[in-house]
Amino acid sequence: DIQMTQSPSSLSASIGDRVTITCQASQDISNYLNWYQKKPGKAPKLLIYDASNLERRVPSRFSGSGSGTHFTFIISSLQPEDIATYYCQQYDDLQVLTFGGGTKVEIK
Amino acid sequence: EVQLVESGGTVVQPGGSLRLSCAASGFIFRSHWMHWVRQAPGKGLVWVSRINSDVSSATYADSVKGRFTISRDNVKNTVYLEMNSLRADDTAVYFCVRDRARGLFDYWGQGTLVTVSS
Repeated sequence: DIQMTQSPSSLSASIGDRVTITCQASQDISNYLNWYQKKPGKAPKLLIYDASNLERRVPSRFSGSGSGTHFTFIISSLQPEDIATYYCQQYDDLQVLTFGGGTKVEIK
Repeated sequence: EVQLVESGGTVVQPGGSLRLSCAASGFIFRSHWMHWVRQAPGKGLVWVSRINSDVSSATYADSVKGRFTISRDNVKNTVYLEMNSLRADDTAVYFCVRDRARGLFDYWGQGTLVTVSS
């Protein structure tokens, strides 16, 4: 199975800060990577698909990049409503889909 | 509007069985793969199972293989998860998820809580 390693596991930042989260795949997954936002008690929300494509109606402060084994997710200017846990997910291996461990984003 | 509504979550004893249902509406159900994803209390998201659109193929996470069975009814627009030999570590919120395109989870239900406890 493909392992997805996210870092950091948590971070604290101020409103307006640039936030960067990384996701490393255990093998080459091309650009078959998505990013999701999860708030407590809510369903997860797709933010970025195919590593760098912004989902419809998602604010442009969210972005993604990378290919192969190394991926980056950025919030360019953190807003109060961005407090959540973020997950990467690979879909190169359609037999076993895997998520990263998550990054919890908090306000400093 | 796409809607996915899970049901069937409850408290069950270790070793017991349960069937979850997910009623879908607002899209052409028979055209989409469907998945179940779970989140244990205080833990991350974990993919559980997938069924393709014409019911010809299903896959499972190793942790549930041989115990869980996914199925779907393309007339009733419903996907199911039959869970047997339940263990304490199966305790989680189970989400029903629509697949837009081969592993891209674009719509999620609100989830149903399964608690395995004596």
